[in-house]
Amino acid sequence: GAVVSQHPSWVICKSGTSVKIECRSLDFQATTMFWYRQFPKQSLMLMATSNEGSKATYEQGVEKDKFLINHASLTLSTLTVTSAHPEDSSFYICSARVAGVYTGELFFGEGSRLTVL
Amino acid sequence: DAKTTQPNSMESNEEEPVHLPCNHSTISGTDYIHWYRQLPSQGPEYVIHGLTSNVNNRMASLAIAEDRKSSTLILHRATLRDAAVYYCILGLGGATNKLIFGTGTLLAVQP
Repeated sequence: GAVVSQHPSWVICKSGTSVKIECRSLDFQATTMFWYRQFPKQSLMLMATSNEGSKATYEQGVEKDKFLINHASLTLSTLTVTSAHPEDSSFYICSARVAGVYTGELFFGEGSRLTVL
Repeated sequence: DAKTTQPNSMESNEEEPVHLPCNHSTISGTDYIHWYRQLPSQGPEYVIHGLTSNVNNRMASLAIAEDRKSSTLILHRATLRDAAVYYCILGLGGATNKLIFGTGTLLAVQP
């Protein structure tokens, strides 16, 4: 099946720094990718929809200047958490569908665990 | 977005069938019913999806009520590796449409 890879798997950073998380579709092209955040023992919360070559669409309540999303190619989307604070510590997960084909299946990355000290 | 209601948790014994229910009384005619599962510290994994007819694949079966207001995910023989949180999600057809996760059902499988 299609594979989505995230990097890094985990990252620890100091408060005030920025962290970039990459999401790659390894064996397919994805015009649309989705970014989710998950706190411990909670469900996934959709943050934004990343569209290749255009601006991301953010869900209500998600700060676009805080969570910068770039989808520069059909296989790569990046999420940058700017000026990270301890409350941004979370599990960030990306997902993608195969471009041009609707199979009902969304392929998820392994997730990236961010800890802000 | 139409909502789904699932039990918070369920228990099953290994090698027995498991029926995971989902209610979606406000489903619209164009909503697909998706099921995903998530193991601890991993991204979700696709299980199955359907629109109106029952569906079978290598992982599970999906039984959809005639009025589409509920559905049931069936694991035919639960294994310890099936212990996970199972999410029932409604989503529009189409490659760009997003999926909104609910709270899901935590399935425990006893040996």
